[in-house]
Amino acid sequence: QSALTQPASVSGSPGQSITISCTGTSGDVGAYNYVSWYQQHPGKVPKLIIYDVSERPSGISNRFSGSKSGNTASLTISGLQAEDEGDYYCASYRASNTWVFGAGTKLTVL
Amino acid sequence: EVQLVESGGGLVQPGGSLRLSCAASGFTFSNYWMHWVRQVPGKGLVWVSQSSTDGSVTTYADSVKGRFTISRDNARDTVYLQMNSLTAEDTAVYYCTRGMRVGPWGQGTLVTVSS
Repeated sequence: QSALTQPASVSGSPGQSITISCTGTSGDVGAYNYVSWYQQHPGKVPKLIIYDVSERPSGISNRFSGSKSGNTASLTISGLQAEDEGDYYCASYRASNTWVFGAGTKLTVL
Repeated sequence: EVQLVESGGGLVQPGGSLRLSCAASGFTFSNYWMHWVRQVPGKGLVWVSQSSTDGSVTTYADSVKGRFTISRDNARDTVYLQMNSLTAEDTAVYYCTRGMRVGPWGQGTLVTVSS
C-alpha cells in the first residue's frame, strides 16, 4: 500500500499563499471525493483541517482550502501566518475500503 | 466536548501482544466508524485499521493484517486494537480517531517493541 506523494517541504513568507500537492492513483484520490488534510504542530496531535476534498470543519479558518484534479489533490493556505508552520498530511479513501496517508509536507514560514 | 482517550501502550518484547483501548465521550459513539492510526516519532502518519459502527466491517493495512484485530464495545463507548506478534517495526504512537472525515484524534499511546 504505497503512500500518497507529497512534497517533502514547502515554504512561504507571511501573507503569501502556498499550495501542497497530494498525488495518488485512479484507485484512491482519483476515484473518490474522500480526501482529508491534517495539520500537525511539533509534539501535538494531528488536526483535521479539510475533509471531502474541500470541506472545512467548524472552526477552521477560511484561509485553508482544498481542491482536486484527476489523481492529485491540493491544499492551499492563503495569507500565510507564522502559526501555520508545521507538518501537513493528506489522506485518501481507497478502493480496498482502506485509507492511505501521504508522507507529509513540512511547511516553513520564512 | 468530544474526547478520545487511548490507553494500554507500553514496552513489550518482540513477538509479544498488547491491547490498546480508546474510550470515547461527548458524542454518540455507535454512530461513527472508528480508526486507528500510528506514527513513529519524527515520522509520518500511517493508517492502521477501521471498524464500522457496529463492528461488523473491519479493514486493515497490509502491514498489520493477520496480526492486529480491531473491535468495539458500543455499550462501553470504547474501541480496541489487539496487537499480536509484535515486531520493532510496530513501535509507534497509536492514535484513535473518530472517522477520517470528522475527528478529533486522541492524544495517542506509545507502543515500544524492544527486548
